[in-house]
Amino acid sequence: EPEVTQTPSHQVTQMGQEVILRCVPISNHLYFYWYRQILGQKVEFLVSFYNNEISEKSEIFDDQFSVERPDGSNFTLKIRSTKLEDSAMYFCASRSQGLDNSPLHFGNGTRLTVT
Amino acid sequence: RKEVEQDPGPFNVPEGATVAFNCTYSNSASQSFFWYRQDCRKEPKLLMSVYSSGNEDGRFTAQLNRASQYISLLIRDSKLSDSATYLCVVIITGTASKLTFGTGTRLQVTL
Repeated sequence: EPEVTQTPSHQVTQMGQEVILRCVPISNHLYFYWYRQILGQKVEFLVSFYNNEISEKSEIFDDQFSVERPDGSNFTLKIRSTKLEDSAMYFCASRSQGLDNSPLHFGNGTRLTVT
Repeated sequence: RKEVEQDPGPFNVPEGATVAFNCTYSNSASQSFFWYRQDCRKEPKLLMSVYSSGNEDGRFTAQLNRASQYISLLIRDSKLSDSATYLCVVIITGTASKLTFGTGTRLQVTL
């Protein structure tokens, strides 16, 4: 079964550094998402992306965050200057259609630790 | 008030037991409802959608009560492998199919 893949599985970085989290969505999917989950807390929506632009973003997704689809396969999340509170599990997800009943497929996540 | 509220648990039940979780949502514009399962430090995985008329998938039954704005999940004949966190998820109208998650209810099934 096709999968969403994320790399790296664990990223450790120092406060103030830039990080790029990478995702390869399922190949025929058109809608892409980033979610995050701080340890012990709920999964939170960050951003959705369709047709090479952001379709919606949350309050968490401030100017420090950006997303890009640099080629036909990768979908990246960049954090420009990481803060301690950015430490979390970041999940990429994709779906084939922008419909509620179109299943959302999550990647297995990147654990970001900011020290 | 939280958009999606769940009892965090943990619910500790013996194998074979029946267990039920409830979830309430605050936004009446919520239009689609799901139960996801999340194992420790893993990604959420769709367990089942929740339909207005209620639906069943094997040992799992989901119900929706729009008037009271709650969703339930019933697990019959619990198995050790059911141990996980169960996430209540809604999609609110006009949010481009964005999932809004509850904090989850932790289930531990024991021998």
